[in-house]
Amino acid sequence: DSGVTQTPKHLITATGQRVTLRCSPRSGDLSVYWYQQSLDQGLQFLIHYYNGEERAKGNILERFSAQQFPDLHSELNLSSLELGDSALYFCASSVVVTGSEAFFGQGTRLTVV
Amino acid sequence: GQQLNQSPQSMFIQEGEDVSMNCTSSSIFNTWLWYKQEPGEGPVLLIALYKAGELTSNGRLTAQFGITRKDSFLNISASIPSDVGIYFCAGQPLISSGSARQLTFGSGTQLTVLP
Repeated sequence: DSGVTQTPKHLITATGQRVTLRCSPRSGDLSVYWYQQSLDQGLQFLIHYYNGEERAKGNILERFSAQQFPDLHSELNLSSLELGDSALYFCASSVVVTGSEAFFGQGTRLTVV
Repeated sequence: GQQLNQSPQSMFIQEGEDVSMNCTSSSIFNTWLWYKQEPGEGPVLLIALYKAGELTSNGRLTAQFGITRKDSFLNISASIPSDVGIYFCAGQPLISSGSARQLTFGSGTQLTVLP
């Protein structure tokens, strides 16, 4: 158990809909990262928050947004969903801002039908 | 953006054999990490490397941070069935700020251990 909790574990939704994925980082970790893992691809970095502030953006679509709350949990919002958004979405956390030794949650498997 | 070339893409080995996989980058990295991912799970950190030339072990796993800072390898000795999974390298580039400083992941090595 990495200590990073993601909910829900599975999500099935229709195209055009909006979903929210939730992540609770390890106790004491200030950094939260979101990654997308599609079937034939590796882990693609989406966005990074540190202590409530956005620190870096990767290949995140404009339809996607995230935030980190004062209690340090984070949410990833995916809207106007398309079939191609079906993927595993992972949250990771680390103590420091630089991303080293990030610990991953078990992921949310999103299926868009 | 940064790219990591991880090889091999997949490996089929007999139980008891040793395994070696590696990652190379076109630019210098200041951190190399190795993760293992099993089906339905998130990646689990195996080994972290922070200095060029560093050689670190974790049980039957050994990883090294290349002298050029552009590569790293992972060895697994005396493989067992529970070693099955996808192994990812990840690196943090040695540049100043922004998204390019985030962990970049290799495409993974799918390891199958045959009894």
